[in-house]
Amino acid sequence: NAGVTQTPKFQVLKTGQSMTLQCAQDMNHEYMSWYRQDPGMGLRLIHYSVGAGITDQGEVPNGYNVSRSTTEDFPLRLLSAAPSQTSVYFCASRQGNRGYGYTFGSGTRLTVV
Amino acid sequence: KQEVTQIPAALSVPEGENLVLNCSFTDSAIYNLQWFRQDPGKGLTSLLLIQSSQREQTSGRLNASLDKSSGRSTLYIAASQPGDSATYLCAVLRGWGSNYKLTFGKGTLLTVNP
Repeated sequence: NAGVTQTPKFQVLKTGQSMTLQCAQDMNHEYMSWYRQDPGMGLRLIHYSVGAGITDQGEVPNGYNVSRSTTEDFPLRLLSAAPSQTSVYFCASRQGNRGYGYTFGSGTRLTVV
Repeated sequence: KQEVTQIPAALSVPEGENLVLNCSFTDSAIYNLQWFRQDPGKGLTSLLLIQSSQREQTSGRLNASLDKSSGRSTLYIAASQPGDSATYLCAVLRGWGSNYKLTFGKGTLLTVNP
């Protein structure tokens, strides 16, 4: 099993550009979520999904959009990149039962100049 | 609002020492607690998952305990090795209805010196 796969691993954007960070999991997990990790701030939840067609906002959703058309994929869209969105982005997934833990992807390092 | 605190923020020990990392959380109504390891520039690797009904979990040289009523967990690493050097994160899972939220501490940066 590949687990949680994120692409790209690195990306540099100019202010105002848009892009999509890809996340795919092959474990048939219901729950998927996006986090950003910043020095001194820890990991913060951006958006999450409890199943195909269902998404909701986390702590820091502004400037980001998500959709969940399939169980496997949960892309994160930056609509108009800003320097404040420079961060490392992690996608995670887990089984629906609350007794299960999370599996994380290897991350996307994004720099907005 | 759930808050998770990890102490110490950084720890440096000589190889071979046994050590304890601490994690505390403000809301004891959790489903489970998960310890992760993060190497520099890498993703999060799950080390141990403790259910709210459990007191401890063990994997090799790692032992994690959970005292839900006091809002505390510890990660014990026996006979530390330089390869254990990494940032260790704890995270607690809470839920409401069909929604769940994983809240992280800011981590403990561990350095094991040869």
